[in-house]
Amino acid sequence: NAGVTQTPKFRVLKTGQSMTLLCAQDMNHEYMYWYRQDPGMGLRLIHYSVGEGTTAKGEVPDGYNVSRLKKQNFLLGLESAAPSQTSVYFCASATRDTQYFGPGTRLTVL
Amino acid sequence: AQSVTQLGSHVSVSEGALVLLRCNYSSSVPPYLFWYVQYPNQGLQLLLKYTTGATLVKGINGFEAEFKKSETSFHLTKPSAHMSDAAEYFCAVSDRDQMTTDSWGKLQFGAGTQVVVTP
Repeated sequence: NAGVTQTPKFRVLKTGQSMTLLCAQDMNHEYMYWYRQDPGMGLRLIHYSVGEGTTAKGEVPDGYNVSRLKKQNFLLGLESAAPSQTSVYFCASATRDTQYFGPGTRLTVL
Repeated sequence: AQSVTQLGSHVSVSEGALVLLRCNYSSSVPPYLFWYVQYPNQGLQLLLKYTTGATLVKGINGFEAEFKKSETSFHLTKPSAHMSDAAEYFCAVSDRDQMTTDSWGKLQFGAGTQVVVTP
């Protein structure tokens, strides 16, 4: 039982490049979330999903897109990366009362 | 909208001393309350949570927190700090009014408190 896994762990992009972050969970959770973590700002919700085929915007959705084609996977896409998207990205999946977090992806945009 | 305030971005405690981390929320309706811990280069791990019932909540690793409605607070404590408690701690809230299928678990996080434990 791996819990929540994230791929890749580290990535460096140039401004304007695109990439996809993958989140996978093996706990059969309906709810999944993408956050970004920046110093002094805690975690901020980017997008979330309450089930396969559904997505919704969080607090800071601009510049990101998501897809939940399979229940166990939640993908976060950056179509045209900007330096302001340099951050640590965390995925979480949830039961009704607990969120389980992945180990994070450290992204640097030059 | 909810807001969460953690007093003190950095706290230094001696090994064996009391750990006290402060969290206040802004809401006319008491929310669900959570404390998470983040060890270096890792994700967040749930320490404890308050949803209903007893206002003194016990969590993992000897931590506990007390919900005080009159003070809109949910402070985290541990009687005796250990070197392994060095980490960043986040308070988070979730509106009770949002506890529906479509919006469950939308957490609002505080900015975090970095705890340093000195020998």
